[in-house]
Amino acid sequence: KQEVTQIPAALSVPEGENLVLNCSFTDSAIYNLQWFRQDPGKGLTSLLLIQSSQREQTSGRLNASLDKSSGRSTLYIAASQPGDSATYLCAVQGGSEKLVFGKGTKLTVNP
Amino acid sequence: EAQVTQNPRYLITVTGKKLTVTCSQNMNHEYMSWYRQDPGLGLRQIYYSMNVEVTDKGDVPEGYKVSRKEKRNFPLILESPSPNQTSLYFCASSRTGTNYWATEAFFGQGTRLTVV
Repeated sequence: KQEVTQIPAALSVPEGENLVLNCSFTDSAIYNLQWFRQDPGKGLTSLLLIQSSQREQTSGRLNASLDKSSGRSTLYIAASQPGDSATYLCAVQGGSEKLVFGKGTKLTVNP
Repeated sequence: EAQVTQNPRYLITVTGKKLTVTCSQNMNHEYMSWYRQDPGLGLRQIYYSMNVEVTDKGDVPEGYKVSRKEKRNFPLILESPSPNQTSLYFCASSRTGTNYWATEAFFGQGTRLTVV
């Protein structure tokens, strides 16, 4: 059974800092991995999708990497801003189409 | 605009009173699913549908029903809600097919359900 772990559970940083969020998964047989952002009481917004054959994807200040063989992904956020404060969720998709989620990392960026 | 729409956004109901949460997507996606999100447990899949008239159980299906009569709609039905179904619910949709690598999932805004 696929299990996804995100470390740390919470992170507080000063504005402007570069930071890395970690995601690990137990079964390397995945089709893709997605990073989502969730604001309090809101839905999930897709940030980046990495296909299993890719090693990284970039969108603006965000860069996500994938090492499928070791079961790891990282989300790098450059020059963090208070508006980046949210919970970041990692999810992997296998052959059943189902997304298996980690429990998230709650990020607080302090002005 | 591509979107998944859920209604209602907030709902307070009493134990045993049947309710339906609607979900609609405008992207012609084949795959739709329902998740619940609980503190400490994360997001867990309730039911999913691969296409019209094709539905199956997810990880936590007890107490829920779904139907998929049209491609765009995937309602979640609670026949006799109980307090342990108090949760935040999300509907999601994505494409299917051989291009699994491309199946980005889109989520609705969520429905916060309280059963008293």
